[in-house]
Amino acid sequence: AQSVSQHNHHVILSEAASLELGCNYSYGGTVNLFWYVQYPGQHLQLLLKYFSGDPLVKGIKGFEAEFIKSKFSFNLRKPSVQWSDTAEYFCAVRNTDKLIFGTGTRLQVFP
Amino acid sequence: NAGVTQTPKFRVLKTGQSMTLLCAQDMNHEYMYWYRQDPGMGLRLIHYSVGEGTTAKGEVPDGYNVSRLKKQNFLLGLESAAPSQTSVYFCASSPGQGAYYGYTFGSGTRLTVV
Repeated sequence: AQSVSQHNHHVILSEAASLELGCNYSYGGTVNLFWYVQYPGQHLQLLLKYFSGDPLVKGIKGFEAEFIKSKFSFNLRKPSVQWSDTAEYFCAVRNTDKLIFGTGTRLQVFP
Repeated sequence: NAGVTQTPKFRVLKTGQSMTLLCAQDMNHEYMYWYRQDPGMGLRLIHYSVGEGTTAKGEVPDGYNVSRLKKQNFLLGLESAAPSQTSVYFCASSPGQGAYYGYTFGSGTRLTVV
């Protein structure tokens, strides 16, 4: 069965630091991949998604992710984080008619 | 444009009580989903629906029932609440082709069972 792993459970950064959150998926065929963000007390919002084509995907708020098929990875990156990026981040993979989510990474950014 | 609306937002139940969570979407989406979110466990799929009148089990369906009598509404029922069902419940919807385009989420229902 399709699965998603997020190995970073809790990340703490200072403002202006660079961010990379890991995401690995299990299926080797055609995949659709997503990153969602959940700000404190809010629902999940879509950051970016990968369908096909250019493996470097740009999303909202300066986030990007790179699809590396050989590594089964879809890591999320941001060159310079802000305090407002404090949130929980979820990677997800499509499994036919539903999404399978990772366990999430909690990001804390300190001024 | 409301998107996905969940009611209620908060609820406290006693063990053994029943309740229904309502999810309504105004985007004419075919697919609707119920997830629960627990600390350290991410989002786990409870039940989902691929169209009006259909339902299917997800990863953690035990103790829950669902109904999709109208395309825009997806109801999640707890017949006899247990403390293990204390969680935050999220409804989501997706247009055709399954989850190809991802989900639109509701704002969640925080349920506490005492």
